[in-house]
Amino acid sequence: AQSVSQHNHHVILSEAASLELGCNYSYGGTVNLFWYVQYPGQHLQLLLKYFSGDPLVKGIKGFEAEFIKSKFSFNLRKPSVQWSDTAEYFCAVRAGANNLFFGTGTRLTVIP
Amino acid sequence: GAGVSQSPSNKVTEKGKDVELRCDPISGHTALYWYRQRLGQGLEFLIYFQGNSAPDKSGLPSDRFSAERTGESVSTLTIQRTQQEDSAVYLCASSSAWDSSYEQYFGPGTRLTVT
Repeated sequence: AQSVSQHNHHVILSEAASLELGCNYSYGGTVNLFWYVQYPGQHLQLLLKYFSGDPLVKGIKGFEAEFIKSKFSFNLRKPSVQWSDTAEYFCAVRAGANNLFFGTGTRLTVIP
Repeated sequence: GAGVSQSPSNKVTEKGKDVELRCDPISGHTALYWYRQRLGQGLEFLIYFQGNSAPDKSGLPSDRFSAERTGESVSTLTIQRTQQEDSAVYLCASSSAWDSSYEQYFGPGTRLTVT
């Protein structure tokens, strides 16, 4: 069965620190990869997605993610976080089926 | 334009009662999904509708759960004889058949508490 692992449950950073959130999935075929973000009190929204082509994808608000097929990974990065990035981040994979498989999420707290 | 809407936003019910949760997808989106998010866990797929095709019910956890969709519009998720373990946030999402990346747009969710 497909699974998505997010190893960091809660990350606390100071403003301007660099961020990397891990995401690994288990599926050997073609995948579409997504990062969703949920800001406090708001609903899930798409941060970025990988469908095909360049494995380094750029999303909104300065976020990027790199698809490394050999490592089954799709880590999220941002060079300098801001207080407004405080949110919960979910990695998701579409693997053959129509629905998405989600990780358990990573809560990011940015300290001003 | 309008996003995915869900109602109610919060629902408290007694164990054993039935509940209905409603989802209004984005207009023109043919695909509709229901997910469940229990506290501290990721989103768990429940059911998927695509146009007039038979729904994919593979994620429904038991026969107490059912969902219907009228054409390409609203959907209702029904939980019969609710149990405490049904307490969760129920999320609805929709996507467009014309979007080859299958991006899903999520509603705000319904927080269900079974007492």
